[in-house]
Amino acid sequence: EAGVTQFPSHSVIEKGQTVTLRCDPISGHDNLYWYRRVMGKEIKFLLHFVKESKQDESGMPNNRFLAERTGGTYSTLKVQPAELEDSGVYFCASSQTRTERAFFGQGTRLTVV
Amino acid sequence: AQSVAQPEDQVNVAEGNPLTVKCTYSVSGNPYLFWYVQYPNRGLQFLLKYITGDNLVKGSYGFEAEFNKSQTSFHLKKPSALVSDSALYFCAVRDNNNAGNMLTFGGGTRLMVKP
Repeated sequence: EAGVTQFPSHSVIEKGQTVTLRCDPISGHDNLYWYRRVMGKEIKFLLHFVKESKQDESGMPNNRFLAERTGGTYSTLKVQPAELEDSGVYFCASSQTRTERAFFGQGTRLTVV
Repeated sequence: AQSVAQPEDQVNVAEGNPLTVKCTYSVSGNPYLFWYVQYPNRGLQFLLKYITGDNLVKGSYGFEAEFNKSQTSFHLKKPSALVSDSALYFCAVRDNNNAGNMLTFGGGTRLMVKP
């Protein structure tokens, strides 16, 4: 069974540019989560999809971040325009049910210069 | 609000010695507790979880953790450390009364096992 996959693994962009991160969850997992870890701090929740619907987006830092999950399969997280403080590792996770453990992808390391 | 504290940024142990990575938590309801490990250039891998039942939970790679409700702790342990256990360890909690289902993570503890 394929795990959660994230693209790209690394991205270096200039301040003000746009970046789109992609997450492919495990097939059949309705629940999809985005988290990020900034500069060695704790991993923080960004948002939660159930199928194509945003269940909870309370962790999204501001309106420069836009997440979508069209068709309830893969998800994208767009940062536009990127700022220096957006640098960090962005993790995606999926689970089959709310109560099951989450399976994490390898993360996308974003560096804004 | 839920929170997790991992008081040690780094833990150093010699191979073959027992190891403990500390975690304390705070939730309003009953906790679901997790340990994840991150090896270099890899994603977060699940180690073990506590939902209900026996306070001592056994997980992958010989790790175990003990849920202590009175001390609100969920320390990760292993009787005999291996050099290959060197990695970044994260404790996480989910409040089972939280409809949002998010995990709250601690800051991570780097475990260094020396030969």
